[in-house]
Order: sequence, then structure tokens, then C-alpha cells
Amino acid sequence: AQSVTQPDIHITVSEGASLELRCNYSYGATPYLFWYVQSPGQGLQLLLKYFSGDTLVQGIKGFEAEFKRSQSSFNLRKPSVHWSDAAEYFCAVGGVLTGGGNKLTFGTGTQLKVEL
Amino acid sequence: NAGVTQTPKFQVLKTGQSMTLQCAQDMNHNSMYWYRQDPGMGLRLIYYSASEGTTDKGEVPNGYNVSRLNKREFSLRLESAAPSQTSVYFCASSGISGGLTKEQYFGPGTRLTVT
Repeated sequence: AQSVTQPDIHITVSEGASLELRCNYSYGATPYLFWYVQSPGQGLQLLLKYFSGDTLVQGIKGFEAEFKRSQSSFNLRKPSVHWSDAAEYFCAVGGVLTGGGNKLTFGTGTQLKVEL
Repeated sequence: NAGVTQTPKFQVLKTGQSMTLQCAQDMNHNSMYWYRQDPGMGLRLIYYSASEGTTDKGEVPNGYNVSRLNKREFSLRLESAAPSQTSVYFCASSGISGGLTKEQYFGPGTRLTVT
């Protein structure tokens, strides 16, 4: 069964500091991996995705993530955080549903607070 | 493009009442999904529809039914609401091309309270 662990429930960083959000996954084959961001009262917005190829993927809003198969990790990074990055971040692993379609299994999320 | 739209945005029900949450997408996606989001639990899949005319149970289907009305629309029905169904509900859609999994696009959510 596929699963995702986000070990940090809350993280606080100062504006301008670097950020790394951790994500570990369990999946039997080559995973499809995603990071989503959710602002308060909003839906989930896709930040970036990994399907195959280059293990360092670039996303929107200056975010990047690195797929490390040996560590079963897909950590999200940003060199310099802006106050508008305060939100909840979800890592997800994708697989195929038995009835078709694609199944996303989400982590429990990391709440990011940015101090000015 | 509006993407994925959901109605209503907010709803308060009394225990035992019924309601239908509506979802529509304009991206010509084959697959649609209903999730619920509860604090500390991430998103959990309720039901999904891989393509028009098919629906299947997800992780937490009890107390819900769905209808894939056409390729654009996928509704979620609570026949007899219970306080345990207080949650935020998200609809999502995805396209599949060449057998490759595609990312899911989410609607803005419906915040449901059952008293």
C-alpha cells in the first residue's frame, strides 16, 4: 500500500530564510510524486510534480523538490521564503486505481508560518 | 477556464438531512474524485469516477453516494447526514494520456457542518 509521511506538522521560518519541507513515501514501484499548497479557505494548488527523468524538479513560486530513491524522499525547498508562502503544504504519491484513474495518497500536511 | 467548480461553498445541515454537493470541470478530464479533509488527516478519497459512466469506492465511502452525470459533472450525495460528516469536501479532476498518471486539479471546496 502506498503511504506518505510528512514528519513536521508545523514549521516556522523567518522571511528571507531558506526552507526545506520533508516528505517520505512508500510505494512499490516508481512513484509519481507531487507537492500541493493550500492557503486558508482555499483549494489545493499544484506546486510541482515528478514523473520520471531529472530528479530535481522546478515548480511554481520558486519552489523545487528533489527525488531521492535511496531515501524514499521528495523534499520541497525554497532558497528564500516570502511572507506570502505561509500556507499548508501537502506531499502526495500517485498510483493507479483498480477501477482506473489515478490515486493520490496525501501526507497529513505541514503548516508553514513565516515570521516577518 | 474556470477549472473545477463546486457548489455550495458552505452548508449547515441537521442530523438526518440530505444534500447533494455539485462539482463540474471544464478541462475535458476523464477522471473525477471526491475527497474529504479533516484536521490532521490530510485528504481521504471518498469516491472516484475513472471515466464517464463508472464510479468506484475510495477509502471512506460509507454514508455517501455519487453520480457521474456526464463527463463534466460529478455529484456527491449525503442521504442522511451525521455529525461525523462535518468536514471540508474537495472535488478534483485529472486527465490520463497514454496510460500516464496525471496530476489532479482541485476545486475550492465545500465546508459542511452537521449539527
